[in-house]
Amino acid sequence: GAGVSQSPRYKVAKRGQDVALRCDPISGHVSLFWYQQALGQGPEFLTYFQNEAQLDKSGLPSDRFFAERPEGSVSTLKIQRTQQEDSAVYLCASSFEGRNTEAFFGQGTRLTVV
Amino acid sequence: GESVGLHLPTLSVQEGDNSIINCAYSNSASDYFIWYKQESGKGPQFIIDIRSNMDKRQGQRVTVLLNKTVKHLSLQIAATQPGDSAVYFCAENSLSGTYKYIFGTGTRLKVLA
Repeated sequence: GAGVSQSPRYKVAKRGQDVALRCDPISGHVSLFWYQQALGQGPEFLTYFQNEAQLDKSGLPSDRFFAERPEGSVSTLKIQRTQQEDSAVYLCASSFEGRNTEAFFGQGTRLTVV
Repeated sequence: GESVGLHLPTLSVQEGDNSIINCAYSNSASDYFIWYKQESGKGPQFIIDIRSNMDKRQGQRVTVLLNKTVKHLSLQIAATQPGDSAVYFCAENSLSGTYKYIFGTGTRLKVLA
């Protein structure tokens, strides 16, 4: 596609519910990133994929967060047993390479846990 | 830990004036920097990048300056327009270490008519 596509755009979850957020990166982009952005803050790194390999998951806040990219294209970020503090915008970005290249962001998924 | 930070959380400028947004970084190993613009409800949009082997790079109405000695980065916007109103983030990356881009907290630019 023309850009990074994320779905859904908005998600309201009840506390304790599991959610799955989808990211379609730019075709041909090797690298894929997930970020979490709290209101009024800069994006915080969650995890990084190079093709299907998850090379860095140091930013995942707890074991309730899980990300996958099984075929090296579409990625899913899953949050189990959501908590109120998980409320944020989840951003996906892709780039042709991982380092020293432009990373293009999607519009994000705004997750609200009630 | 390593971080990227900004000096001014909000900057107000008159339409037509030049804007300068500053950023300090603490990781001396960082060698690639990007400026992003984020409008309300949208994802960050790439503006311009610069590698550490350069100290200045120009785009259309934007210039990025890099001072490695004091670990300082700035974004200059010429003839600021209402459409430039947004939050601006600098982000750093490194040739070594992890792949993640580290973002600062952002500067809100308000363009006054």
